[in-house]
Amino acid sequence: DTAVSQTPKYLVTQMGNDKSIKCEQNLGHDTMYWYKQDSKKFLKIMFSYNNKELIINETVPNRFSPKSPDKAHLNLHINSLELGDSAVYFCASSHSPGLVSEQYFGPGTRLTVT
Amino acid sequence: AQSVTQLGSHVSVSEGALVLLRCNYSSSVPPYLFWYVQYPNQGLQLLLKYTSAATLVKGINGFEAEFKKSETSFHLTKPSAHMSDAAEYFCAVSARGGTASKLTFGTGTRLQVTL
Repeated sequence: DTAVSQTPKYLVTQMGNDKSIKCEQNLGHDTMYWYKQDSKKFLKIMFSYNNKELIINETVPNRFSPKSPDKAHLNLHINSLELGDSAVYFCASSHSPGLVSEQYFGPGTRLTVT
Repeated sequence: AQSVTQLGSHVSVSEGALVLLRCNYSSSVPPYLFWYVQYPNQGLQLLLKYTSAATLVKGINGFEAEFKKSETSFHLTKPSAHMSDAAEYFCAVSARGGTASKLTFGTGTRLQVTL
């Protein structure tokens, strides 16, 4: 069974469109994350939620809006897509954020903006 | 603030040879350190982590890393490389305590294993 799943796996869209990426974890974790990996493989955290509460919000354009309907789901909505948004987006989850616990990553969503 | 530097964006070794991937960290507080592996078109998988217990940490797939405070290093090693080890490897640091566990990743090292 997949621990952290993301949909879709690939997303190709045009500039200016609005799109969403969904993430679900069945590990019973309290904390979920979104990371962006650029074309040079550099990984950077974007957001983190703990029990549906936003706890990390890095310097990300406000076109990106995360939403956590429950602690097993963390979705990422992107408005007015730009070419620079093309990247692989990874969702991850872990136990309580205050502890050092392993983050489990999803398979990634490759977003291509044309 | 925490950061990690991975020396060498690309490392090539022969099958059976020693693997050494370098990582140096910078942290204003005692760090937690991690090595993750990313196989092509997949997510990241934890290899091992240092959380202030033993300085020599053993991970999966025969990998290990040694925390050296004096050198601010956390290099990843494996005695004998296998073709299946070819992947991208990321070192990461997380600050202790606080209300959020934020991983800061290095830029990654691509390991190539040749026959």
